[in-house]
Amino acid sequence: DTAVSQTPKYLVTQMGNDKSIKCEQNLGHDTMYWYKQDSKKFLKIMFSYNNKELIINETVPNRFSPKSPDKAHLNLHINSLELGDSAVYFCASSQDIVTSGDEQYFGPGTRLTVT
Amino acid sequence: AQSVTQPDIHITVSEGASLELRCNYSYGATPYLFWYVQSPGQGLQLLLKYFSGDTLVQGIKGFEAEFKRSQSSFNLRKPSVHWSDAAEYFCAVASPFGNEKLTFGTGTRLTIIP
Repeated sequence: DTAVSQTPKYLVTQMGNDKSIKCEQNLGHDTMYWYKQDSKKFLKIMFSYNNKELIINETVPNRFSPKSPDKAHLNLHINSLELGDSAVYFCASSQDIVTSGDEQYFGPGTRLTVT
Repeated sequence: AQSVTQPDIHITVSEGASLELRCNYSYGATPYLFWYVQSPGQGLQLLLKYFSGDTLVQGIKGFEAEFKRSQSSFNLRKPSVHWSDAAEYFCAVASPFGNEKLTFGTGTRLTIIP
C-alpha cells in the first residue's frame, strides 16, 4: 500500500492552462505539505496544512491554491501556468507539525512541464 | 531564520570506501536536524534525525551523523558505501520553536564507482 500517493506522475501542459495535482496519504497523519523542487534539485516548502487548516503559506504566486477537503487529501491547483512553474512537486505528510520533529513521508512527485 | 549549507554539490566514491557528506546550519539555537535521501525518480526518505541528547545518531541503511555545536555541523557518514547508495542527499533543519517549516540544503549528489 502506497503511503503517500500523487496523481498524475507526469503532467505536460501549455502556458496559460489550469491544472491540478492530487495527493492522498493513508497514514492517518494530521499534517500535509507541498514542496517544489526545481531543476537544480532545490527543494522548497510551498504550503502546509494541519487538520485541514493552512499553517504555512510561503511566498508563492496566488496562482497556486491548495485545497484540503479532508485530512487525508491535499490538492494543488495552479492557474495560468507559466514556464517557470516547470518543476517536480512533492507532497508529504507527517503525524504532527514540524516542531514536533515528526518524520515527513514524501510522495513520488509529480513532474510538471509547461511548454 | 534558519538556513543550511551543503558545500559539496557532487561527490564520487568507490564502492566499499567510506563516505562523509557535509552539512552546516545557521540558527541561533540548536535546531532539529535531518538527513533525507532521494533515489532517482523517487521522493525523499528520512535517514536519521537529531533533536537533542547523544550527538552521534544512527540511522537506516548503515548511516550515522554527528552533531557538532561548535562547528554548526551535522555531517553524514557511512563506513562502507554500496552501489545502491547512489542518490541525492539532503540535509534539513527545522526550528524547535514555531516557524513550522523544514528548510532543506541544496543537496549532494553521490556517485558510486565500482
